[in-house]
Amino acid sequence: GESVGLHLPTLSVQEGDNSIINCAYSNSASDYFIWYKQESGKGPQFIIDIRSNMDKRQGQRVTVLLNKTVKHLSLQIAATQPGDSAVYFCAEILSGTYKYIFGTGTRLKVLA
Amino acid sequence: ETGVTQTPRHLVMGMTNKKSLKCEQHLGHNAMYWYKQSAKKPLELMFVYNFKEQTENNSVPSRFSPECPNSSHLFLHLHTLQPEDSALYLCASSQEGRGGETQYFGPGTRLLVL
Repeated sequence: GESVGLHLPTLSVQEGDNSIINCAYSNSASDYFIWYKQESGKGPQFIIDIRSNMDKRQGQRVTVLLNKTVKHLSLQIAATQPGDSAVYFCAEILSGTYKYIFGTGTRLKVLA
Repeated sequence: ETGVTQTPRHLVMGMTNKKSLKCEQHLGHNAMYWYKQSAKKPLELMFVYNFKEQTENNSVPSRFSPECPNSSHLFLHLHTLQPEDSALYLCASSQEGRGGETQYFGPGTRLLVL
């Protein structure tokens, strides 16, 4: 989940298991959502996106679920690998604006 | 590699110094962005340039001065910064700058103000 503060919430997952990272977004008018992955020393990397007219979208080993009723977004990573270790954060976008609202992120640790 | 490069990757400066951060995108995009990322907060949008014109200034102090000479290059000029300005400064670009697009980020410049 999301948290504001010094310490990011951490999800520890055994290698090979599935990971689920959650995000609560703030604005019911937001109609575009992106998940980013940020590895140490690098900039955020686009993973997957979804528009508000969908509730599920699948990529390679990743799935994003959108629940507009409760303003909740989740990222599912199948068969988590050591290379998936990073901070993951969501972004909500207000249509027609540049205002991307980013979450603080969740740190994913993959245990060997 | 995302096609967005930033230099320098690390910068240490005193409060009286003047320095510049550089961003270049090789994606043919028309919009470029500056963000600040600090340990205690989510990404904060600073400036948006669309087709070389500034379209957003998110109440950024004047000690940060952006410059966009063309759609591929973006600078952030820094002067008389404060220690609380220490952060990771990220540049991003998107295709058309019309909002609601995927933004692609550079690796960032880690800035330390002493």
